[in-house]
Amino acid sequence: DTEVTQTPKHLVMGMTNKKSLKCEQHMGHRAMYWYKQKAKKPPELMFVYSYEKLSINESVPSRFSPECPNSSLLNLHLHALQPEDSALYLCASSHRGNNQPQHFGDGTRLSIL
Amino acid sequence: RKEVEQDPGPFNVPEGATVAFNCTYSNSASQSFFWYRQDCRKEPKLLMSVYSSGNEDGRFTAQLNRASQYISLLIRDSKLSDSATYLCAVITGGGNKLTFGTGTQLKVEL
Repeated sequence: DTEVTQTPKHLVMGMTNKKSLKCEQHMGHRAMYWYKQKAKKPPELMFVYSYEKLSINESVPSRFSPECPNSSLLNLHLHALQPEDSALYLCASSHRGNNQPQHFGDGTRLSIL
Repeated sequence: RKEVEQDPGPFNVPEGATVAFNCTYSNSASQSFFWYRQDCRKEPKLLMSVYSSGNEDGRFTAQLNRASQYISLLIRDSKLSDSATYLCAVITGGGNKLTFGTGTQLKVEL
């Protein structure tokens, strides 16, 4: 079982909806990440939070809005998404510092109608 | 040139075979290296970190060649349950930005 928990597992939403993806870890990790993965492609980094502060934004469109309320939680707020945003959204966490492996949650499979 | 490259496969091997995957990276400043395993429609799971001196975990051996800028994964005595996509991943620079290769698909057959 993964130690990074993501909810919901599946989400179907229209292009005008607003929804949020949630991620939680209790491993004491101080770095958390959002990735997007399309079918038959590798995960692509979207955002990195370090000590609850956004440290990397990989030029992600503003319709994706991350939030880190505390050291255990990471949210991804979604608004006005496009059909091409349909993908598997993965959360990961790691200890802060270089050479630290990242541990992934089981993802939210998002479909935009 | 892609930052991290892998042969996509598929590699079809019989049970009990030894199989090896390579992964090349373009940035000589890359610092940390990992192998992940991803089953169909599941999340990537960390298989092992790759250390400069090479490391082994049971049937799995990882090697790093900094001079030629590649990492490798050797799987001995392949099991049916080893069938999956194997992703190499590299951290370059600060910020813990992990870049994945495209993955190599392994199918172990009876």
